[in-house]
Formats: sequence, structure tokens, C-alpha cells
Amino acid sequence: DTGVSQDPRHKITKRGQNVTFRCDPISEHNRLYWYRQTLGQGPEFLTYFQNEAQLEKSRLLSDRFSAERPKGSFSTLEIQRTEQGDSAMYLCASSLGGLSDNSPLHFGNGTRLTVT
Amino acid sequence: DAKTTQPTSMDCAEGRAANLPCNHSTISGNEYVYWYRQIHSQGPQYIIHGLKNNETNEMASLIITEDRKSSTLILPHATLRDTAVYYCIVYSAGNMLTFGGGTRLMVKP
Repeated sequence: DTGVSQDPRHKITKRGQNVTFRCDPISEHNRLYWYRQTLGQGPEFLTYFQNEAQLEKSRLLSDRFSAERPKGSFSTLEIQRTEQGDSAMYLCASSLGGLSDNSPLHFGNGTRLTVT
Repeated sequence: DAKTTQPTSMDCAEGRAANLPCNHSTISGNEYVYWYRQIHSQGPQYIIHGLKNNETNEMASLIITEDRKSSTLILPHATLRDTAVYYCIVYSAGNMLTFGGGTRLMVKP
């Protein structure tokens, strides 16, 4: 399977703990996106990388959240001092170019975070 | 991005065509219409997109009205595996893909 890969699929953590998720995009896709999805809602944009540069961050991305894409390939999303409100599905997507270049986003199957 | 309006839910009989409507009355001339779907416990899956002309691929057809204020996604022969939430998204360059609530399609045997 050469799609977007996310790890882990599920994570249960206690409030106050730090968690880190990993995303491996489709090979040669230079754009990588993180979205968050809560139950019953559509995905919400968090942040976007073009190669290793983080070009845009949503106001949803509080100071406790940090994302990296150090070599322009895989990306990590870290949440520090988790809160129960962080419980959600965290989705990663990648694209070869921008949507205006007719390059649709391809999503992984997400990491479901539960904060107890 | 232009706001879209979709029915909250729809049913379709297996084997019949599923026609999913989307209203985007404030769409601008350079904004695309994208369709994604999300099957339970999976990430969103790209289906199709268009600007002005109707589009067809192996998954579906997209019919955009001449004034571009609405569109319809057509699944020609719905199967049980097409049960999902379908998102209609209007996208413009420089913005991020913004999802609404979508339409929950239930394909019934």
C-alpha cells in the first residue's frame, strides 16, 4: 500500500501526558497537512507543510501543539500536557502540488486519541 | 471559501443511482467544487472535482449547473460499500480545504 500512513492508529493517554503521532506521506508528495476531527464533525485544518517549511497554522493549533517535518518527508505532531478536549481523530494528508494545481489531498486513516 | 449546503442524510437502494446535491450559491468564478467521502473509521477519500464542466471518473460523475450555484454527485450504481459521509467542498487557491457537515448516505439492500 503506497497511501498515507499514520501511526499509531489508536492512542489512549492520561490527562497531562505528552503524545506524539507520526505521518508518512505518499512518496514524493511535497505538501503535508494535519487535520483534526471530533465526533460527528467534519475534519478541521490544523497546519500545513510544503517540504520542510511549515507555511500555515490554524488558530486551533494552540501552544501545546507542535508539528515538524524535519527532512521534508515524514511529519510528527506532538501534543503536550494533553487535555480531555484534545480527544479526537488526528488526520494527515499529503498532495503532490496545491489544489489549484489539480492535486487533491490524499488522507491517511488517522490516529484516534482518547484522553482520560 | 464559499459556504456549501448539503442535506444531512439520504437513503439509496442498492444498485440504484445515488444523487447527492450541493448548493454553493456564493461560489466565485475561480473556485473549484471538490467531493470527498468518509467511510466509518477511515480518513476522507477523494472522489472527484470540477470547475465548470461536468466530470466523470471511475468512481462518480459530477454535474455542475451552468450558473455554478449548485452541483450533484452521482454514484451510478450504489453498493453497500458506498455508505459514507459525503462532503462537498468549494475550494479557492491559497486556502485550505474546509469541510462542512456533509451528507450521510445510507445505501440499503
